[in-house]
Amino acid sequence: SQQGEEDPQALSIQEGENATMNCSYKTSINNLQWYRQNSGRGLVHLILIRSNEREKHSGRLRVTLDTSKKSSSLLITASRAADTASYFCATPNDYKLSFGAGTTVTVRA
Amino acid sequence: DTGVSQNPRHKITKRGQNVTFRCDPISEHNRLYWYRQTLGQGPEFLTYFQNEAQLEKSRLLSDRFSAERPKGSFSTLEIQRTEQGDSAMYLCASSSQGGGNTDTQYFGPGTRLTVL
Repeated sequence: SQQGEEDPQALSIQEGENATMNCSYKTSINNLQWYRQNSGRGLVHLILIRSNEREKHSGRLRVTLDTSKKSSSLLITASRAADTASYFCATPNDYKLSFGAGTTVTVRA
Repeated sequence: DTGVSQNPRHKITKRGQNVTFRCDPISEHNRLYWYRQTLGQGPEFLTYFQNEAQLEKSRLLSDRFSAERPKGSFSTLEIQRTEQGDSAMYLCASSSQGGGNTDTQYFGPGTRLTVL
């Protein structure tokens, strides 16, 4: 069963705009991870945020985590065409990851 | 390239045939995972190896599926008597043993299986 749920399912933005997507999960976690998947390819790890962290940055990415609401958000600033991809949140259950259905982001030139 | 590699990248087969996929993890990684991903969904866990030991199998892994990791290096995933419902992307990932469950899993490009 899938633990996380991303929202929205799809997002279309203009190049240079910011993109925000949200993830909600069901059970308590030690960390939450975000991955990117370009069309028909494997997943690339973007960022891991631990349960005792509220915000984390990596380049143009900003991730927040609210354990009281069991939710996380991923913000991509100053989007580029290369950011067009599906984005997944994932939570660890023992050593395996449980993924949501993802948010598909399209960046228009 | 020192990332996770998978072969073949694409496989088309007829229903009832057997198929085998291979995954070569990052060389120093002792953990290896198989996931399956269908269109519009996130990956779903299938099975997990620590070195050569298969430690967990999902209920998604029916009797027609078998995975091995001889000598704790590469892994194979075999599907016997394929069905159309087996059509999916099969993803392999590896990680090194770290603290607790904060391992970062590195994914391969996947093998896309189409069962006709």
